[in-house]
Amino acid sequence: QSVVTQPPSASGTPGQRVTISCSGSNSNIRSNYVYWFQQLPGTAPKLVIYRNDQRPSGVPDRFSGSKSGTSASLAISGLRSEDEADYYCAAWDDSLRGWVFGGGTKLTVL
Amino acid sequence: EVQLLESGGGLVQPGGSLRLSCAASGFTLSTYAMSWVRQAPGRGLEWVSAIGSSTYYADSVKGRFTISRDNSKNTMYLQMNSLRAEDTAVYYCAGGSTYSLEDYWGQGTLVTVSS
Repeated sequence: QSVVTQPPSASGTPGQRVTISCSGSNSNIRSNYVYWFQQLPGTAPKLVIYRNDQRPSGVPDRFSGSKSGTSASLAISGLRSEDEADYYCAAWDDSLRGWVFGGGTKLTVL
Repeated sequence: EVQLLESGGGLVQPGGSLRLSCAASGFTLSTYAMSWVRQAPGRGLEWVSAIGSSTYYADSVKGRFTISRDNSKNTMYLQMNSLRAEDTAVYYCAGGSTYSLEDYWGQGTLVTVSS
């Protein structure tokens, strides 16, 4: 059971906006930055959002992140087929003294 | 070009040991916070260990794994002892100038623990 929870799946049609939630606690999401990773099959994770809402260079502005209290969200607008992937949130946990990852959300583009 | 390159993975018997390496190029590893993250087959990402001014370990590996770095070689290591079947995973190294998951990730090295 992950300390940080995500829905196991999400889906949308091309052009739609989808959001993926990430629920944690005071010791992780409330207190620290949230990161979002995209992972395509057989590849290493790729950072798409860092420090709650910052986009690395090269990541399309269709990707956005937000945080409120003990929850965070990743939004993808103008959904494209290449967005189909697994998405993970992560945050440092002050109580565990380590990084915690959500269980991952498999995004399907219908 | 900035790169992290993991090596040292392979097949090992339960109870055995393995040392993973993460060689950095294009930046000075000693000035970065670094982590090991693993992914068991068909499973999600799991943080294993981190090194910065201190060292940190997940409960699942505490007492069995040791993280270290050799600044002269610009390389980080993960010494894994008393390996179990549940340690089977792809192991990624990652690093950041402030936070260890933030800047660079390697491509991973596969560790298989099986008799």
